[in-house]
Amino acid sequence: EPEVTQTPSHQVTQMGQEVILRCVPISNHLYFYWYRQILGQKVEFLVSFYNNEISEKSEIFDDQFSVERPDGSNFTLKIRSTKLEDSAMYFCASSPQGFSYEQYFGPGTRLTVT
Amino acid sequence: RKEVEQDPGPFNVPEGATVAFNCTYSNSASQSFFWYRQDCRKEPKLLMSVYSSGNEDGRFTAQLNRASQYISLLIRDSKLSDSATYLCVVNPLGNQGGKLIFGQGTELSVKP
Repeated sequence: EPEVTQTPSHQVTQMGQEVILRCVPISNHLYFYWYRQILGQKVEFLVSFYNNEISEKSEIFDDQFSVERPDGSNFTLKIRSTKLEDSAMYFCASSPQGFSYEQYFGPGTRLTVT
Repeated sequence: RKEVEQDPGPFNVPEGATVAFNCTYSNSASQSFFWYRQDCRKEPKLLMSVYSSGNEDGRFTAQLNRASQYISLLIRDSKLSDSATYLCVVNPLGNQGGKLIFGQGTELSVKP
């Protein structure tokens, strides 16, 4: 069964550094998303991406964040100048074209900012 | 009012029990609804979509009441493997590529 993959599984970085989180969505999916979950809190939407551009973004997704689909398979989230409060689990998701609006999540990258 | 609200639990039930989870949503125009499950420190996994007429998948039954803005999930004959956090999820615009709004989750623990 095809699945979303993410790398790395755990990233530790120092405050102020830049990180890039990588995702490979399911191959025939056209819509891509990033969500985050701070420990003990609910899953929160960050951004959606379709046809090589951002479709929607939340208030959390400020100038510190950017997304890119550098090639036909990868989808990345870049966080510039990380802060302590960026520590969270970051989930990538994808969904297919069609009537189903179901989104399928990757295993996540745990980001720890020290 | 929270966009998606759930009873956080935990629900502690014996194997074989029937358990029901409830969820309310604030945006009356919301169009698409789902239940996901999340195991500790893992990704949300789609359990089922929720349709207006109600739908069943094996031991799981989901119902939607648009007038009351209420969604439910019923689990019959609970198994130990059902222990997880159950997430009520809404796509407010019901659109392709639309964001999902998650509830806080309801924790279920099934004991032998």
